[in-house]
Formats: sequence, C-alpha cells, structure tokens
Amino acid sequence: AQTVTQSQPEMSVQEAETVTLSCTYDTSESDYYLFWYKQPPSRQMILVIRQEAYKQQNATENRFSVNFQKAAKSFSLKISDSQLGDAAMYFCAYRGRLTGANSKLTFGKGITLSVRP
Amino acid sequence: DAGITQSPRHKVTETGTPVTLRCHQTENHRYMYWYRQDPGHGLRLIHYSYGVKDTDKGEVSDGYSVSRSKTEDFLLTLESATSSQTSVYFCAISEVLGGPLHFGNGTRLTVT
Repeated sequence: AQTVTQSQPEMSVQEAETVTLSCTYDTSESDYYLFWYKQPPSRQMILVIRQEAYKQQNATENRFSVNFQKAAKSFSLKISDSQLGDAAMYFCAYRGRLTGANSKLTFGKGITLSVRP
Repeated sequence: DAGITQSPRHKVTETGTPVTLRCHQTENHRYMYWYRQDPGHGLRLIHYSYGVKDTDKGEVSDGYSVSRSKTEDFLLTLESATSSQTSVYFCAISEVLGGPLHFGNGTRLTVT
C-alpha cells in the first residue's frame, strides 16, 4: 500500500520569504501522480499543484513550485514570496495511475503553515 | 469551482441514531469519494465509487455504508452513529483516473 509522510507538523515563515514543505512517499508503482492541497481556515480543500511522475520537469504554478525527486521518493513544495493568505494547512497526496478502478488519493497528515507579518 | 454540494453543512446527532450525508455533483464525473478528516490523521478514505452502483471500501469503512443510484448523488450512511465518528466529512469527485480530486466544502458531524 502507498503511504505519504509529512514529518513536520508545523512551520512558520516571514511574509515575503520562501518556505519549503517536505513530503515523502512510498510506492512500488512506477507511474503515478502527486499533489499538494491547501486547506485554509474556511475548510475548503484547494488544489495547489500537481506533478506527473513520468515528467522530469518540476511543476510550477506562479509562486508555488515543487522539487520532485523520484528516486528518493520526495516531493517538496516551495512557496516563494510568502503572503498572509498562504497561511493554511497543506496536504501532500499520492494517486496511482495504473490502479484501474481503485485509483484513489492517499494523503499525508498535513502541515500547518503560519505566515508572520 | 467544481459543482459539488454536500448536505448538511453541520449536524449534531446522538449515539445510536442513523445519519445520512449527501454529496451532489453537477459535473457528471464518474468517480466519487468520501473522506473523513481528523486531527493528526489527515484525510482518510471511507468509501469510493467508480460508477453508478459500483462502490468499494476504503481504509476506514467500518460503520459506514454508501450508495450511488445516480451519477450525481453519492450517499454516506452511518447506520448507528458512535462518538468515534465525530469528524469532518468530505466528498470529492474526479473525472478521470489520475486526475485531481475536487472537494466539496465538508460536513461537520458531531455525535454526542
């Protein structure tokens, strides 16, 4: 079974600075997808970024980028120029591509990011 | 935002009573999921559906059942609610395998 580990329960960053959130996963599959979701206090789950394992290039979405290290099974999220609105809980998630009808998203336990003004 | 509506938004119920949570989508997506979110556990999959009347168990399915009689509706039932089922429940949908999941706004359920 796939597992996703977020070992840091909390992190803090100064506004306008850069922060990196760590995530590791374990899988025997060679093809899969990785995601970062953001959950602000409103409770809504918001997709931040997505990475396809067969793509070597790291995904980027505006101020958000990932460092995908397939061999190390590591998938970290970098937030540049942090803003107060980035304060939220962030979840790393894994989804297999070749699991047929059983394709489902497995989540880490999340990390709470606070942004200091 | 994906058209996903969860109802009710909040519910308080007593131990031993049946509870049904509803997820309604307007996207015509094939895949639907029920997750629960608890502090220290992240989101854990309860049940999922890969088509009308096609459902399967997730990692925390004990005490829960689901039904999907139409593409747009996915119901989660707690036959006899227990305090351990106090949680926030999320419905999610996905159009294709490997695609991202889009989530509803969640239902906060409290079992007293």
